[in-house]
Amino acid sequence: EVVLTQSPGTLSLSPGERATLSCRASQSVSSSYLAWYQQKPGQAPRLLIYGASSRATGIPDRFSGSGSGTDLTLTISRLEPEDFAVYYCQQYGGSPKYSFGQGTKLEIK
Amino acid sequence: QVLLQESGPGLVKPSETLSLTCTVSNYSISSGYSWGWIRQPPGKGLEWIGNIYHSGNTDYNPSLKSRVTISVDTSKNQFSLKLSSVTAADTAVYYCARAGFDYWGQGALVTVSS
Repeated sequence: EVVLTQSPGTLSLSPGERATLSCRASQSVSSSYLAWYQQKPGQAPRLLIYGASSRATGIPDRFSGSGSGTDLTLTISRLEPEDFAVYYCQQYGGSPKYSFGQGTKLEIK
Repeated sequence: QVLLQESGPGLVKPSETLSLTCTVSNYSISSGYSWGWIRQPPGKGLEWIGNIYHSGNTDYNPSLKSRVTISVDTSKNQFSLKLSSVTAADTAVYYCARAGFDYWGQGALVTVSS
């Protein structure tokens, strides 16, 4: 079973700062099958990054993804007020076929 | 823009079967992709339930496999979820999504309670 562990659980930052969110897999996953999502209260998750580093349609370039194997990183270069939300990493192809990390809450400091 | 909309009862009794349907607009399910269900208990994270391909083949989360059935009706451009023998632990917002999870429904809250 592929388990994704995200850190930190909560990240407190101010608008304009840089955010770095981490995701570690319990076993190596192809970078082609790693993704990041943003979820705001009362909304469905929104795909931000797929293939570990490709931005989904309409996603601002302040969002970037990197990593491979077992370690994945989401970076938000300069936080905007609308970026404060919960972020999930996700893998495809392991067992179960899809799984999500437990989430990192990005809150305003 | 692909649109997905979940529908079904918002309240299900314990031990009964939860049934939800996802209607897809602006894209024909028959054209490809797989289509999935994901759930989120209140205040918790996301759990993948399963996917169905336009061919009808399915993949299920092993933790739910014994209780889950996902089916597709290409004539109605819909796919459906059935989860049997529900308990309070199955209370969640249920989302349908296109695989790749680039398009999601708005979610449907299903509460399991007598």
